[in-house]
Amino acid sequence: DAGVIQSPRHEVTEMGQEVTLRCKPISGHNSLFWYRQTMMRGLELLIYFNNNVPIDDSGMPEDRFSAKMPNASFSTLKIQPSEPRDSAVYFCASSLARATEAFFGQGTRLTVV
Amino acid sequence: GQQVMQIPQYQHVQEGEDFTTYCNSSTTLSNIQWYKQRPGGHPVFLIQLVKSGEVKKQKRLTFQFGEAKKNSSLHITATQTTDVGTYFCGGGAGSYQLTFGKGTKLSVIP
Repeated sequence: DAGVIQSPRHEVTEMGQEVTLRCKPISGHNSLFWYRQTMMRGLELLIYFNNNVPIDDSGMPEDRFSAKMPNASFSTLKIQPSEPRDSAVYFCASSLARATEAFFGQGTRLTVV
Repeated sequence: GQQVMQIPQYQHVQEGEDFTTYCNSSTTLSNIQWYKQRPGGHPVFLIQLVKSGEVKKQKRLTFQFGEAKKNSSLHITATQTTDVGTYFCGGGAGSYQLTFGKGTKLSVIP
């Protein structure tokens, strides 16, 4: 298996633009997580999906952030409009079941200028 | 809400010295996971502990879960340059999600 695949690896965008991050979880995993990592705040959980259904989105910073999982093999995290404070590394992770080992993707480094 | 604190935030050691990072939770945990993130990389799972007082070893790494299930430690014996990275603990409190500490960044001086 190729592991969790995220795209793009790097994204530079101007403030106000829409940004879409993509994730393909490991086949057969039914749990998917989006995390944001910054120096100041560390690794923060944004949203958790189980069997494609959003279970907890309490970590989503504000309405500018939205996430979808239309099927078991694809998820997106959208920021609209983007702001400089959204600059961070965004990780997607998947696991076979709750409270088990999470496999992280390579991450998307987002820079909003 | 649940908080997980890790100390120290940074640790510089001479190659061959031992290293320990500590993880403390504000609430009782059902499980704790440890991850390692190399510079520029992504977190990679190391181990999960679920039992009170549990101790697990992986070669030079020793992981411990406290009796009260509110703290954990990772100890590396005789560090090597390949141990460089940030070590994260993630605590689960009976639910699906982990609350991660901010990590301990380990530098190893050759």
